Amino acid sequence: QKEVEQNSGPLSVPEGAIASLNCTYSDRVSQSFFWYRQYSGKSPELIMSIYSNGDKEDGRFTAQLNKASQYVSLLIRDSQPSDSATYLCAVAKTSYDKVIFGPGTSLSVIP
Amino acid sequence: GAVVSQHPSRVICKSGTSVKIECRSLDFQATTMFWYRQFPKQSLMLMATSNEGSKATYEQGVEKDKFLINHASLTLSTLTVTSAHPEDSSFYICSAVGQGAGGSYEQYFGPGTRLTVT
Repeated sequence: QKEVEQNSGPLSVPEGAIASLNCTYSDRVSQSFFWYRQYSGKSPELIMSIYSNGDKEDGRFTAQLNKASQYVSLLIRDSQPSDSATYLCAVAKTSYDKVIFGPGTSLSVIP
Repeated sequence: GAVVSQHPSRVICKSGTSVKIECRSLDFQATTMFWYRQFPKQSLMLMATSNEGSKATYEQGVEKDKFLINHASLTLSTLTVTSAHPEDSSFYICSAVGQGAGGSYEQYFGPGTRLTVT
């Protein structure tokens, strides 16, 4: 079993819709969870970090964490074409520990 | 704040030569830096953990004699790819652990170095 799993996509949504990205992880001791956005040929950019169960909102982005189910998700509201990228779910034991990345989900927002 | 730079951004070298990549935390001190490698259409794979003043910890399957890591100061870590071969061609990305605006520690990624071995 891979440590961090994501649907590879591609996930296509129309402009203005909600994009929902999902991630599961296998290591129960993980305490830090991250969503990164990566444009082609560029380095990953941190969008959200979440450490506690529940929802965390930042602008158009909402991260959801359920440690009991070992599940993390990212919702992007009012999706824009500029949101088209690969979204990487990442997990670590602590916020300063090594980060294990999932394979990424490719998102395409159609104008 | 929390800017990480890498140099060079792109490098092309001949098979058998060595290449050094620098990772710098510009406005914070990082006792820990990480080196990742990303092949086309794949995710980031951790290569090693670099701690200032001590030997790097390599992930399983990564040759420590081929990928030399030096973390000589709190703001600089270097990765040297020795005797590079075409299969070492990849996107190498470093990250540095620093304290974010909310006080929690987070990883900040450098812009990456595209290595092409001919």
